[in-house]
Order: sequence, then structure tokens, then C-alpha cells
Amino acid sequence: DGGITQSPKYLFRKEGQNVTLSCEQNLNHDAMYWYRQDPGQGLRLIYYSQIVNDFQKGDIAEGYSVSREKKESFPLTVTSAQKNPTAFYLCASTPSPSYNEQFFGPGTRLTVL
Amino acid sequence: EDQVTQSPEALRLQEGESSSLNCSYTVSGLRGLFWYRQDPGKGPEFLFTLYSAGEEKEKERLKATLTKKESFLHITAPKPEDSATYLCAVRAGRVYKYIFGTGTRLKVLA
Repeated sequence: DGGITQSPKYLFRKEGQNVTLSCEQNLNHDAMYWYRQDPGQGLRLIYYSQIVNDFQKGDIAEGYSVSREKKESFPLTVTSAQKNPTAFYLCASTPSPSYNEQFFGPGTRLTVL
Repeated sequence: EDQVTQSPEALRLQEGESSSLNCSYTVSGLRGLFWYRQDPGKGPEFLFTLYSAGEEKEKERLKATLTKKESFLHITAPKPEDSATYLCAVRAGRVYKYIFGTGTRLKVLA
């Protein structure tokens, strides 16, 4: 089945540790996105990538880093510089940057203790 | 400033009691308005895309409509399985830019 997978579903880390969230898609989509979702707030864009080996900062990129070495993979690293990392993280993709409808993964809930 | 506002924040309906969710938007250069359904602890599931005022889309008990300032998601004779958070988003301006509302939490009671 084609789709987007995110792992792990739940992640617990101690304050000050870096952590990497996985996002993999087998849809052959060019564009991929990372969002953060907090209670009472809309989804906020962290980073996006329109093509392999290229990515841009979104609205809340501080404290996060990404890579796009393969078309199917777009991992997100939450660094110790992110002040409030506890949140629900969602990965999405579209066939091309101009394609409108986003397909979302199941999400990763990160809790920093 | 581009903005999307959804109302109400939460809605409780009896099974069979029809109602509407609102999404008002202020953006320049609308490229599309989207409705998603999100179940607790899961990723959003795409429902509809609307592009221009007057457009309507339907799927089972859901019907989405669009004007120049707002969109409505009408739910006809809802069932408990329709309980979820419904998200509205718009795409405007730059290619990557999606703006999401905070959602409406719908609870349908049997």
C-alpha cells in the first residue's frame, strides 16, 4: 500500500537531547512538509522540501533541522535549542510543489521530560 | 495578514441533528481551500478542495461550500462515527504556503 509512514508513534526524550523523527513515503512525491500541532493552535509549518537535496525554512524553523538526501525520506531533528519541543509532529507530501492536496502521515507525539 | 478562523471551537450534536461548521478566511491570492478530518492521535485525512466562490462538493453526509470570505461544512443527519476534529486550510500566495485554522471538535451523541 502506498502512503506516508512516521516513526515512532510516541517518543520520549530528556531535556537537552537531540531527537530525530522519521518520515518515509512510497508515493513518489516530490514535495514533503513537516508541521507541528499544539492544542488550540493550527498546524504550523516547520520545514518543507520541493525536491531532493533542497529544503526551506517554514514559519517556526528555529531549533529544528532537516535533510532530504532521498526522494522518499525527510527526517526531522529536534535539537536542544528548541525551547518547547513537546508536541504532535506531522509529515505531509504532495506529488509536486504546485499540487494542492496534502497527504499526511499518522504523526509522532514527542514528549520531552 | 493571512488568517483562517474556524467556529465554533467545539460542537455537540445528537445523532441526526444537522448543523454547519464555519471557516472564515482573509488571504490574498487564494489558490484553494481545503477541509480535513482528524481523529484523535492521527494525521488529517483529506476531504475536499474548493477553488472559487459558489463551488460546492459533497461526500456522504458532508457538503462543503465556498464564498469569497468563508466556507461552510454542512453535516446532514450526522452519526457518532462523524465525531472528529474538522480542519480548514487555505493555500495562498507562495507555492508552499498553507494556513490552517484551529479546527472544530465535533461530537455526535447516539
